Amino acid sequence: SQTIHQWPATLVQPVGSPLSLECTVEGTSNPNLYWYRQAAGRGLQLLFYSVGIGQISSEVPQNLSASRPQDRQFILSSKKLLLSDSGFYLCAWSVQVLFDSSYEQYFGPGTRLTVT
Amino acid sequence: EDQVTQSPEALRLQEGESSSLNCSYTVSGLRGLFWYRQDPGKGPEFLFTLYSAGEEKEKERLKATLTKKESFLHITAPKPEDSATYLCAVDTGRRALTFGSGTRLQVQP
Repeated sequence: SQTIHQWPATLVQPVGSPLSLECTVEGTSNPNLYWYRQAAGRGLQLLFYSVGIGQISSEVPQNLSASRPQDRQFILSSKKLLLSDSGFYLCAWSVQVLFDSSYEQYFGPGTRLTVT
Repeated sequence: EDQVTQSPEALRLQEGESSSLNCSYTVSGLRGLFWYRQDPGKGPEFLFTLYSAGEEKEKERLKATLTKKESFLHITAPKPEDSATYLCAVDTGRRALTFGSGTRLQVQP
């Protein structure tokens, strides 16, 4: 069965410090991978998605970046955090259930980031 | 621009009191509509995917239905453990989902 891991689970960082969040998926190959952010009381906002190694699409221009160095590894980074970067960061992977059908997405446990 | 609106924002039910959550959407082309359950501090848990108008899916006390403009999540005889935030999302072929802001459900014993 497939499993998705995220770490760390919680993180408190000062403004201006760097960030690195990691996500790994087990039990599948060549998954689509996603980073979402969920602000308090709001829906999930897609930040990045990747369909393969080194292939990253950005949905929202900001001071965050993403990388996919290995097939089942997805990393979210920032060189200098802002207060507005606080939130709940979720990694997800997806699989196409049927040819030309929708991609069902499954989420990891999330990382709670507080920028102080 | 794709839009997903969920209502109500919050719902409080007594145990056993059935109700429905609404998800209305405005999209250019729907390839799938998803329902997720999210507990506080955790990632969303996949519940259902609906692909076409008229489709229905059930899981325990939950039943999801889909029309051309909206989806309903019916909760029959809810229990306190059904308390959570329920999220609706749509896939319009971009391989990424557009989410609504969710409905917070509280079921009191």
